[in-house]
Amino acid sequence: DIQMTQSPSSLSASVGDRITITCRASQGIGISLYWYQQKAGKAPKRLIYNAFSLQSGVPSRFSGSGSGTEFTLTISSLQPEDSATYYCLQHNSFPYTFGQGTKLEIK
Amino acid sequence: EVQLVESGGGLVQPGGSLRLSCVASGFSLSDHYMDWVRQAPGKGLEWVCRIRNKASGYITDYAASVKDRFTISRDDSANSLYLQMNSLRTEDTAVYYCADITAQVTRWGQGTLVTVSP
Repeated sequence: DIQMTQSPSSLSASVGDRITITCRASQGIGISLYWYQQKAGKAPKRLIYNAFSLQSGVPSRFSGSGSGTEFTLTISSLQPEDSATYYCLQHNSFPYTFGQGTKLEIK
Repeated sequence: EVQLVESGGGLVQPGGSLRLSCVASGFSLSDHYMDWVRQAPGKGLEWVCRIRNKASGYITDYAASVKDRFTISRDDSANSLYLQMNSLRTEDTAVYYCADITAQVTRWGQGTLVTVSP
């Protein structure tokens, strides 16, 4: 199975800050990676597909990069509504595997 | 309205069974590969299983944690997806979501809570 190691597990930042979340895959997955945002009590919402493509309707302050085994999600200018937990998901091979999640708090 | 709606969750004893349903409205499930994803209380997301569409032979895949206990199925005529869960364990307690994870326009249901407890 492919292991996805996500860091950091939690993060506290201020409105306007730029933050980066990283996912490392235990083996190469090409660009078969999604990034999700999940708010409390809600289903996950996909932000990024194919590692760097922005899902329709998602603000442009979100961006993804990487390929192979190293991936990053960047939020360029944090907004209060970005407070959530973020997950990566590899869909290169079964079983699909999620990262452990990053809880983002807005100060 | 385009949506997926899960049902069938509830409280069940260890060793028991439960069948979850997911009904699509506003779009046809038939062309989609469909997945179940779960989330234990206060924990992260875990992919559970997938079923492909008719054109791909309805092939299924499962996480090791549920293989041989859970069965995913679909009824395209009813625009529905199912998850038969047998031999349930306390560690299966979670919110279960149905979703078409790899679709260009991805949709998730609101989730249904399954609690496995004596």
